[in-house]
Amino acid sequence: KQEVTQIPAALSVPEGENLVLNCSFTDSAIYNLQWFRQDPGKGLTSLLLIQSSQREQTSGRLNASLDKSSGRSTLYIAASQPGDSATYLCASQRGAQKLVFGQGTRLTINP
Amino acid sequence: DVKVTQSSRYLVKRTGEKVFLECVQDMDHENMFWYRQDPGLGLRLIYFSYDVKMKEKGDIPEGYSVSREKKERFSLILESASTNQTSMYLCASSFLALDSNQPQHFGDGTRLSIL
Repeated sequence: KQEVTQIPAALSVPEGENLVLNCSFTDSAIYNLQWFRQDPGKGLTSLLLIQSSQREQTSGRLNASLDKSSGRSTLYIAASQPGDSATYLCASQRGAQKLVFGQGTRLTINP
Repeated sequence: DVKVTQSSRYLVKRTGEKVFLECVQDMDHENMFWYRQDPGLGLRLIYFSYDVKMKEKGDIPEGYSVSREKKERFSLILESASTNQTSMYLCASSFLALDSNQPQHFGDGTRLSIL
């Protein structure tokens, strides 16, 4: 059974810093790895999707990498801003678009 | 932009009631999903549907059923609500792609309290 883990559960950094969020998964037979953002009391917003054949994806200040052999993905946020404060979730996709989610990292960017 | 709309943001019901949660998407997506999100347990898949009148159980279907009579609408039904079904419920939708690499788009959630 696929398990997805995100460490740390919470992270607080000063504005302007570059930071890395970590995600690990136990079963490397995945279709893709997805990163989402969730603001308090809201639904999830899709940030990046890395297909199993890809090593990384970029969108603006965000870069996500995937290493299937080690069961790891990272989300890199450059030049962090207070508006980046949110909970970030990763999810691995197995067949038929079933996602298995990690518990999330709650990120706080301090002005 | 994709719009996934859940009919209620907050809902309070009593134990034993039959509860309907509604979700509508406007992007002609084939796939639709229902999750619940609980502190310490994260998001868990309840049911999903890949076509009208088609459904498949997710990881925690017990106590729930679903209905998809039209492509744009997916309903979650609590047949006899219990207090352990108090949770945040999230609906999502996505295209059905041959390579399965399509992101899911989420609604804002319904916070359901069962008293």
